Amino acid sequence: DAMVIQNPRYQVTQFGKPVTLSCSQTLNHNVMYWYQQKSSQAPKLLFHYYDKDFNNEADTPDNFQSRRPNTSFCFLDIRSPGLGDAAMYLCATSRIQGSGANVLTFGAGSRLTVL
Amino acid sequence: GQNIDQPTEMTATEGAIVQINCTYQTSGFNGLFWYQQHAGEAPTFLSYNVLDGLEEKGRFSSFLSRSKGYSYLLLKELQMKDSASYLCVVMDSNYQLIWGAGTKLIIKP
Repeated sequence: DAMVIQNPRYQVTQFGKPVTLSCSQTLNHNVMYWYQQKSSQAPKLLFHYYDKDFNNEADTPDNFQSRRPNTSFCFLDIRSPGLGDAAMYLCATSRIQGSGANVLTFGAGSRLTVL
Repeated sequence: GQNIDQPTEMTATEGAIVQINCTYQTSGFNGLFWYQQHAGEAPTFLSYNVLDGLEEKGRFSSFLSRSKGYSYLLLKELQMKDSASYLCVVMDSNYQLIWGAGTKLIIKP
């Protein structure tokens, strides 16, 4: 089945120790997103790739970086995690073709704990 | 600013009907989505409305009134597995997705 796969599902790190989360997709979607979601809050968009074009949200801290080496993979790097970065990180994909519904397909998420 | 309002939490009984409301104020409008999110899991797509009216999909229906900036999600014949958060999402004039904080729906036997 075509899908969005995130690894790891659970990540525990120490304060300040870098973390990399990965996302792969077999849907051949041209857009990939990284969202941060804290308990009982809406997902917050960190950045997205439209094909190879990187789009950073204005309020995304510099501590968060991303790489998309090819259309199937995307990585989220947290350079120096703080306690406030503990959250669920959601990768999503969509196929945007002109106007119309931009339906997102989400991976299962990576839950980050910072000690 | 852009804003989406939906109730924080609702409770309903198994087998009953529940309506979850959403009002929005955004920079333009290019469609409204409803997503379901079970605790600890990722959101899954439920419905999309871009024109006024009711869209029915099995036990779930979604309604949109663009002039009122209003939508609702109607769930019929509630099952215990419908216990989840329901997120209202609006796509604005720049095709950006504006997310509501979600409504936690608790189903009681």
